[in-house]
Amino acid sequence: DQQVKQNSPSLSVQEGRISILNCDYTNSMFDYFLWYKKYPAEGPTFLISISSIKDKNEDGRFTVFLNKSAKHLSLHIVPSQPGDSAVYFCAASATGTASKLTFGTGTRLQVTL
Amino acid sequence: KAGVTQTPRYLIKTRGQQVTLSCSPISGHRSVSWYQQTPGQGLQFLFEYFSETQRNKGNFPGRFSGRQFSNSRSEMNVSTLELGDSALYLCASSSLSGADNEQFFGPGTRLTVL
Repeated sequence: DQQVKQNSPSLSVQEGRISILNCDYTNSMFDYFLWYKKYPAEGPTFLISISSIKDKNEDGRFTVFLNKSAKHLSLHIVPSQPGDSAVYFCAASATGTASKLTFGTGTRLQVTL
Repeated sequence: KAGVTQTPRYLIKTRGQQVTLSCSPISGHRSVSWYQQTPGQGLQFLFEYFSETQRNKGNFPGRFSGRQFSNSRSEMNVSTLELGDSALYLCASSSLSGADNEQFFGPGTRLTVL
């Protein structure tokens, strides 16, 4: 039972353009959402998070949007840079089990020159 | 501030053996969580320790166990290793202060079971 889904296994974007990574969830108890970036042979690196009381959170080039009614969140990277090429995971947690993250399967982003 | 460290980075074991992995969290972080990453199942939560007590547990068999020490360092043990236990084992720490629930991951231990 995949409670957090990233339906696009890969995405290719030109340098300077916007990258949009999508994530859907099914568990209504999830109220905190995070995005992580992962390079091969390294642990995931935290990027940005959003609480369910918000619908948008921005940090530099990264913006996360949350649509609770659709149980959907997205990560926007503007402008995309070659160094952004990595696998991106969305993750979710519920109140009371904040340290129990449920991860999506990841989207591999390739930023081309 | 030093990040999360995990030792060893690589490990090769044979079926039936047991293994112990170690994790040192970021200084001041009291919560340590363990995850297993495999190509087929992705990143899956194993368990979380907070103040030396297991607070949350994922859906893994009892062969997977852990503990946390008074300095917040944590160990994970897998007994009677199976081929399917080959994976990247990741440890993450968190301060769980206020609304910040971000977990910070170590580089992982790559376990290969032959």
